[in-house]
Amino acid sequence: AAGVIQSPRHLIKEKRETATLKCYPIPRHDTVYWYQQGPGQDPQFLISFYEKMQSDKGSIPDRFSAQQFSDYHSELNMSSLELGDSALYFCASSSQGPDTQYFGPGTRLTVL
Amino acid sequence: AQTVTQSQPEMSVQEAETVTLSCTYDTSESDYYLFWYKQPPSRQMILVIRQEAYKQQNATENRFSVNFQKAAKSFSLKISDSQLGDAAMYFCAYRRYSGGGADGLTFGKGTHLIIQP
Repeated sequence: AAGVIQSPRHLIKEKRETATLKCYPIPRHDTVYWYQQGPGQDPQFLISFYEKMQSDKGSIPDRFSAQQFSDYHSELNMSSLELGDSALYFCASSSQGPDTQYFGPGTRLTVL
Repeated sequence: AQTVTQSQPEMSVQEAETVTLSCTYDTSESDYYLFWYKQPPSRQMILVIRQEAYKQQNATENRFSVNFQKAAKSFSLKISDSQLGDAAMYFCAYRRYSGGGADGLTFGKGTHLIIQP
């Protein structure tokens, strides 16, 4: 079965740079979620989109923005990167909003 | 805000034995969902089991079952016949029910499960 695709899988950036993470949901899934997992921590919810509209918002910094496109893929844009942004970023998808969330493999972001 | 508590940072069990991981949560909602996710060393988040709060029957998926006590706000995971491949970090997660909305998950801190051969 097709799974959630995230790209890139690994990303290295310098402080104050910008990063863009991409997420391609499971086919026919219309809802996308973003999570941030720091080293040794549990995942923290950032933001979600349902049918291309922002649905729920968690602890997403103002330096981060996201959107969902007409083909349902989503991008997380991160600006003015800080050392503390180094983490594993997960995208998850579900169908019809409140259904079970299935996670992608994650993007490991390292900020130097 | 909802909180999820996993009081066991680490558990160890012999292969083929049974282990129970604990999870409690705090919410004022009456409708919600509870999940257990597994995160092996690959860091992939894998769904283990899901429970709807309105269902009194405990969810079961092969060797995995839950004990859902709504009044006590408790949601434990039992793994029977433990296998080496079960070794992972296990996260309990809560999600409120908001109609058609796409609410995020609130996770506990996780329990690291070690399987001894």
